Amino acid sequence: EAGVAQSPRYKIIEKRQSVAFWCNPISGHATLYWYQQILGQGPKLLIQFQNNGVVDDSQLPKDRFSAERLKGVDSTLKIQPAKLEDSAVYLCASSLDNTEAFFGQGTRLTVV
Amino acid sequence: QKEVEQDPGPLSVPEGAIVSLNCTYSNSAFQYFMWYRQYSRKGPELLMYTYSSGNKEDGRFTAQVDKSSKYISLFIRDSQPSDSATYLCAMNSNSGYALNFGKGTSLLVTP
Repeated sequence: EAGVAQSPRYKIIEKRQSVAFWCNPISGHATLYWYQQILGQGPKLLIQFQNNGVVDDSQLPKDRFSAERLKGVDSTLKIQPAKLEDSAVYLCASSLDNTEAFFGQGTRLTVV
Repeated sequence: QKEVEQDPGPLSVPEGAIVSLNCTYSNSAFQYFMWYRQYSRKGPELLMYTYSSGNKEDGRFTAQVDKSSKYISLFIRDSQPSDSATYLCAMNSNSGYALNFGKGTSLLVTP
């Protein structure tokens, strides 16, 4: 069974630029999460989708972050404009039955 | 006070030692408890998943949950250098809800 796929693995951008991350969850998993993991911290939820509907986006900085999950499968997370404090690893995870969440390898973003 | 507290370490032990990793939490509504292992530059990998109080064993790993004390533990027996990683505890009040993570404990097992 293929795992959660994320791209790109690494991205370096200047502040005020925009960036997008892509996630392909495990086939058949209805729930998809985007987490932000700052160095030395545990992951923090940004947004949770159930199929293509948003379940929880209470911690998403909506003035600069946006996410979508078209057709209830792949998802993209966008930051525009980026700030220095957005430097982090962005993790995508998916779940079949809302119990175990499986994570991708993450996208490491550096904002300079 | 953060909802989930975890000592970041680092924790260094010799190969073969028993390792004890712990988290405390403040939200009494938490019912689902997980331990993830995260190698450097990789995503978290689920190790153990438990519901409510009690013990769960899987090979060299044992997870314990004490809801009365709001305290969870992960024990690793016969630790190996390949166990060197960051261990994250995570929990939520309802399956499907977002996970609340600790900061992670960095473990180094030396040969």
